[in-house]
Amino acid sequence: KQEVTQIPAALSVPEGENLVLNCSFTDSAIYNLQWFRQDPGKGLTSLLLIQSSQREQTSGRLNASLDKSSGRSTLYIAASQPGDSATYLCAVRQGAQKLVFGQGTRLTINP
Amino acid sequence: KAGVTQTPRYLIKTRGQQVTLSCSPISGHRSVSWYQQTPGQGLQFLFEYFSETQRNKGNFPGRFSGRQFSNSRSEMNVSTLELGDSALYLCASSSPGGDEQFFGPGTRLTVL
Repeated sequence: KQEVTQIPAALSVPEGENLVLNCSFTDSAIYNLQWFRQDPGKGLTSLLLIQSSQREQTSGRLNASLDKSSGRSTLYIAASQPGDSATYLCAVRQGAQKLVFGQGTRLTINP
Repeated sequence: KAGVTQTPRYLIKTRGQQVTLSCSPISGHRSVSWYQQTPGQGLQFLFEYFSETQRNKGNFPGRFSGRQFSNSRSEMNVSTLELGDSALYLCASSSPGGDEQFFGPGTRLTVL
């Protein structure tokens, strides 16, 4: 059974810092990995999708890497801003359209 | 293009009642998946529909059911509501052959 773990559970940093969020999964037989952002009480916003054959994806200040063999992904956020405060979730897809989610990292950027 | 829409956004029910939630996918998307989000269990997969057929199912009791219509709109139904069914219910859609899932804003269900 696939299990996804995100560390840390919560992170608070001052504005302007670069930071890394971690995601690990137990079964390397994944189809892809997706990073999402969730604001309180809201739905999920897709940030980056990495196919199993890819090593990284970039979008603006965000960069996500994938090491399938070791079961790890990282989300790098450059020059953090208060608007980046949210919960960040990673999810792996195994067949069909079923996503298995981690518990998320609650990120707070302090002005 | 309009995003995934879910109705209603908020619902309050009492134990024993049943509820129906609706999800309209992004135009052209034929796959709709449903997830339950609770503080304790996080996000858990309920089921996925594609072309009106349930293609994948999570580990939830039979009280949770769904269907998909020919226009790809989907509904999920929960019968005999329990307090533990209080959650944010999210649906997601993806395009044929698409890899990325796009989520709606969710329906917040409170069971009293």
